[in-house]
Amino acid sequence: NAGVTQTPKFRVLKTGQSMTLLCAQDMNHEYMYWYRQDPGMGLRLIHYSVGEGTTAKGEVPDGYNVSRLKKQNFLLGLESAAPSQTSVYFCATTQGALEQYFGPGTRLTVT
Amino acid sequence: AQSVAQPEDQVNVAEGNPLTVKCTYSVSGNPYLFWYVQYPNRGLQFLLKYITGDNLVKGSYGFEAEFNKSQTSFHLKKPSALVSDSALYFCAVRDLTGGFKTIFGAGTRLFVKA
Repeated sequence: NAGVTQTPKFRVLKTGQSMTLLCAQDMNHEYMYWYRQDPGMGLRLIHYSVGEGTTAKGEVPDGYNVSRLKKQNFLLGLESAAPSQTSVYFCATTQGALEQYFGPGTRLTVT
Repeated sequence: AQSVAQPEDQVNVAEGNPLTVKCTYSVSGNPYLFWYVQYPNRGLQFLLKYITGDNLVKGSYGFEAEFNKSQTSFHLKKPSALVSDSALYFCAVRDLTGGFKTIFGAGTRLFVKA
């Protein structure tokens, strides 16, 4: 039972490159979330999904896109990376209004 | 709008002493409140939550939190701190409208000195 996994763990991109971050969960949770964590700013919600085939914008969605084609996977895409997107990205899942379960994070550097 | 404030960037405490990490919130309606802990290079881990019932909530690793509705606070406490408690702590409130989004505080770094 892996819980929530994220791929990759680390990545360095050049400005303008694209990439996709994968979040996978085996808990059968309906709700999935992508956050970014920057020093002194806590966690900020990028996009979220309330079920397979649905996505919605969070607090800081610009420059990111998401897809939830399968219930267990939630993908975060950067079409044209910018240095401002250097951050640690976390995926989380939950079932309803209860606590969230977090993945280990992806550390992304954009040069 | 819902919000969470953690007024202290850092809390320092000696091992064996009690610790308190402060949190205040602003919500419309009844609050669903949470504490999470983050160790270096790890994701957040759930510690405890308040949904309803007893104002004193007990959680993992000997932590507890006291819900105070009149002061809109949800302070995290532990009677006797351990060096291994040193970590980053986040208070959070659940938005019960559309998507069950969570609003996190900025975090408080706890240092426990041996």
